[in-house]
Amino acid sequence: QAGLTQPPSVSKGLRQTATLTCTGNSNNVADQGAAWLQQHQGHPPKLLSYRNNNRPSGISERLSASRSGNTASLTITGLQPEDEADYYCSAWDSSLSTWVFGGGTKLTVL
Amino acid sequence: EVQLLESGGGLVQPGGSLRLSCAASGFIFNNYAMSWVRQAPGKGLEWVSSISDSSRNTYYADSVKGRFTISRDNFKNTLYLQMNSLRVEDTAVYYCAKDSGDHDHWGQGTLATVSS
Repeated sequence: QAGLTQPPSVSKGLRQTATLTCTGNSNNVADQGAAWLQQHQGHPPKLLSYRNNNRPSGISERLSASRSGNTASLTITGLQPEDEADYYCSAWDSSLSTWVFGGGTKLTVL
Repeated sequence: EVQLLESGGGLVQPGGSLRLSCAASGFIFNNYAMSWVRQAPGKGLEWVSSISDSSRNTYYADSVKGRFTISRDNFKNTLYLQMNSLRVEDTAVYYCAKDSGDHDHWGQGTLATVSS
């Protein structure tokens, strides 16, 4: 099953803005959107954004998600040291009837 | 508070079997689909399998189809993953996740190691 495409790494400075991307196709991202997950080393993933781009309770307003066609984006403003983590996107593929994940983006805060 | 607690991981030889469990609490278990997602050492997340709230529908990744079986006991609030014919490449931390339309809560994971 083909996964979603994410850049392997992104580096930004403290208090800068990072935009992470996730590219799929008409059967997954374009169809129902993509969710975003954050994972710190040694910890389980944590949901940051639902596929409808809404944030779960307790997630910082510095994070916002959007979608344009086959590409979903996660924007993090005012980068903090604790934002340094791996970020994954996920989507339901309506053609394959499977979940698909991106390969993950390692965000480094300089 | 939603809690998901996986167990059953361990070391097994290639060709062997393991049964993973995920004990759920803090939500109405039989109202939600559930999933297993794994992460090989140093790698990304890989979806393994999902099951609907009533167990009517099950879904599998091609990499495990025919070898793994997902099931649930809604009376015991527990999710299972029976893993047979295990391969070295199945070595991973296995997470269970609550599926509310997205994977909104995750357990801490259990490590399954397949090695001779």
